[in-house]
Amino acid sequence: EAGVAQSPRYKIIEKRQSVAFWCNPISGHATLYWYQQILGQGPKLLIQFQNNGVVDDSQLPKDRFSAERLKGVDSTLKIQPAKLEDSAVYLCASSPLGTQYFGPGTRLLVL
Amino acid sequence: DAKTTQPPSMDCAEGRAANLPCNHSTISGNEYVYWYRQIHSQGPQYIIHGLKNNETNEMASLIITEDRKSSTLILPHATLRDTAVYYCIVRVKGTYKYIFGTGTRLKVLA
Repeated sequence: EAGVAQSPRYKIIEKRQSVAFWCNPISGHATLYWYQQILGQGPKLLIQFQNNGVVDDSQLPKDRFSAERLKGVDSTLKIQPAKLEDSAVYLCASSPLGTQYFGPGTRLLVL
Repeated sequence: DAKTTQPPSMDCAEGRAANLPCNHSTISGNEYVYWYRQIHSQGPQYIIHGLKNNETNEMASLIITEDRKSSTLILPHATLRDTAVYYCIVRVKGTYKYIFGTGTRLKVLA
C-alpha cells in the first residue's frame, strides 16, 4: 500500500514570496491533516479535512495560510506572503478513522 | 495544550528494554492513547494504540494502568535504529483531533 506522498521535499524562498505544498493521502482515507512542525517542537495541527470539508482550522493563520482539498482526495497548503517564522516542516497525514499515517514532510526555509 | 506529559529525554543501552512513560491524567473513558515516533528528518510513524487493555504488536508493547491515567511504551530490545522522539498523544474528546506535545527523545547507546 502506497503511503502519504508530499511534494516538494524542500523549498527555500524569500520572505513575502508565496509557496504551495501538495499532499496525496493514502487511497480511501477520508480524513486529511496538515501540521506545522517547528524545530525542536512537536507537530502542531493547522487544518483537518473530512472528505473535502474543513473540520477544524482553528490554528490556521488565515491571513496568510490557505488550504483546500478538491474532490476529497489531494490537498494543497499555501502560504502567501511567507514570513521568516514560517520556516518549519509541513507534515501531511491521512486517516481512515483514528490512526494517522504521515508523509515525509516538506521542509520550508524562509530567508 | 497537550493532554499528556512525558520526560524530555531518556537513554537506553542497546539490547535492553526501553520503558517510556506517559501521564494522561485527564483522559476520558472512551479516549485511546496513541504512540508515535519520529526519526530525524522523517514524518511521525505510528507505533501502537490502546484503550484500557495492554497491547502488543511487532514493534512494541503498551501497558496502560488500571485507572488509565498513565501508560508505558516498552521497546523490548532497543536497537540503535530506535533512537527517535517518541510521542504519546490522546485524541481530543468528541473529535479526531490530536495534540502533540514535545515528546521524549530516546537515545539508544551502543
